Amino acid sequence: GAGVSQSPSNKVTEKGKDVELRCDPISGHTALYWYRQSLGQGLEFLIYFQGNSAPDKSGLPSDRFSAERTGGSVSTLTIQRTQQEDSAVYLCASSFQSGNEQFFGPGTRLTVL
Amino acid sequence: KQEVTQIPAALSVPEGENLVLNCSFTDSAIYNLQWFRQDPGKGLTSLLLIQSSQREQTSGRLNASLDKSSGRSTLYIAASQPGDSATYLCAVRPGSNYQLIWGAGTKLIIKP
Repeated sequence: GAGVSQSPSNKVTEKGKDVELRCDPISGHTALYWYRQSLGQGLEFLIYFQGNSAPDKSGLPSDRFSAERTGGSVSTLTIQRTQQEDSAVYLCASSFQSGNEQFFGPGTRLTVL
Repeated sequence: KQEVTQIPAALSVPEGENLVLNCSFTDSAIYNLQWFRQDPGKGLTSLLLIQSSQREQTSGRLNASLDKSSGRSTLYIAASQPGDSATYLCAVRPGSNYQLIWGAGTKLIIKP
């Protein structure tokens, strides 16, 4: 159907709480990517999925961050014990195959108070 | 380590002008290069994707070129319009993995 969707669009949480961010890729896209865009900084790669497996987790900033993908479709990015420095826009992208053109969702703006 | 640089960081031009945005990368061993635009508070819109074997891609008033040997790409916008105002980002996919390496972007303002 439509493009990549993400939810929620905005999330405000208190320091120390856990949050879950969801990404629905374009139907039929096997590759899924998570990025983070912090204020005043460029985009930062977090993790990549091919199907349900994550061959590249190199960008996850700490062990508080984890992600999973089920059924080769929806992905969830979980941040445990959030810190103020986790505040950012979290962007999800998908592509038909790895290395092809990436299409981005609108992002989730996370604010940790 | 691949690094991507975009110059200028900001650009303001009158409506109707043709303009060029620049992107340079340090490692010529790339798989592809992609240009995006980002509107304030919104996600990224893919504009053009150039594979490493290609020299240029065109879409409407946009033309992107790639010179791998010199580590450069340009995005040419013809007959600019106020609706072109956005931040333009270039991203490189290195040959060895799947993540994109991003430039910091060029903030473009087209004055009516």
